Amino acid sequence: QQQVKQSPQSLIVQKGGISIINCAYENTAFDYFPWYQQFPGKGPALLIAIRPDVSEKKEGRFTISFNKSAKQFSLHIMDSQPGDSATYFCAASKSGNTGKLIFGQGTTLQVKP
Amino acid sequence: KAGVTQTPRYLIKTRGQQVTLSCSPISGHRSVSWYQQTPGQGLQFLFEYFSETQRNKGNFPGRFSGRQFSNSRSEMNVSTLELGDSALYLCASSLGTLNEQFFGPGTRLTVL
Repeated sequence: QQQVKQSPQSLIVQKGGISIINCAYENTAFDYFPWYQQFPGKGPALLIAIRPDVSEKKEGRFTISFNKSAKQFSLHIMDSQPGDSATYFCAASKSGNTGKLIFGQGTTLQVKP
Repeated sequence: KAGVTQTPRYLIKTRGQQVTLSCSPISGHRSVSWYQQTPGQGLQFLFEYFSETQRNKGNFPGRFSGRQFSNSRSEMNVSTLELGDSALYLCASSLGTLNEQFFGPGTRLTVL
């Protein structure tokens, strides 16, 4: 049972454009939603995370938008750069299971120069 | 501060063998989680250890096991290897009170 659904599977964006990746979750007990960035041959790196008490969180060019009623959250990458080309994973977990992240299937982003 | 380290980085085994992977968490981190990453199934949670006790377990067969030592270092063991066990095995550590997990580079296991 896939508890976190991520789309699109792949994304091509021009340099300077906005990259948008969406995730939907099923379990209303989830209360922590991080995004990870993974480059080939590397482990995932925490990018930004949000909890349900806020609807948006911004860190530099990265913004998470959160819609609790729709059980959806998304990552926006503003002014996308070729160096952002990587695989992005959304994830979710709940209090009490702090070490158990449920991941989406991943989105491969390519930013063209 | 040193990050999460995993050894070995690459491993080749044959079916039926067993393997042990090691993870050293970030200093001060007491929680260690293990994940399996494959192209088909993505990132899947294996188990989590906190203060030497297994706190969470994913949906993997009993061939997959782990343990944590008093210095928070962790090992995972896979017995009777199958071809489908070929994957990148990732270890992540956290303080245990927050959900922010930091991943190591992984161990690439190939089963022939």
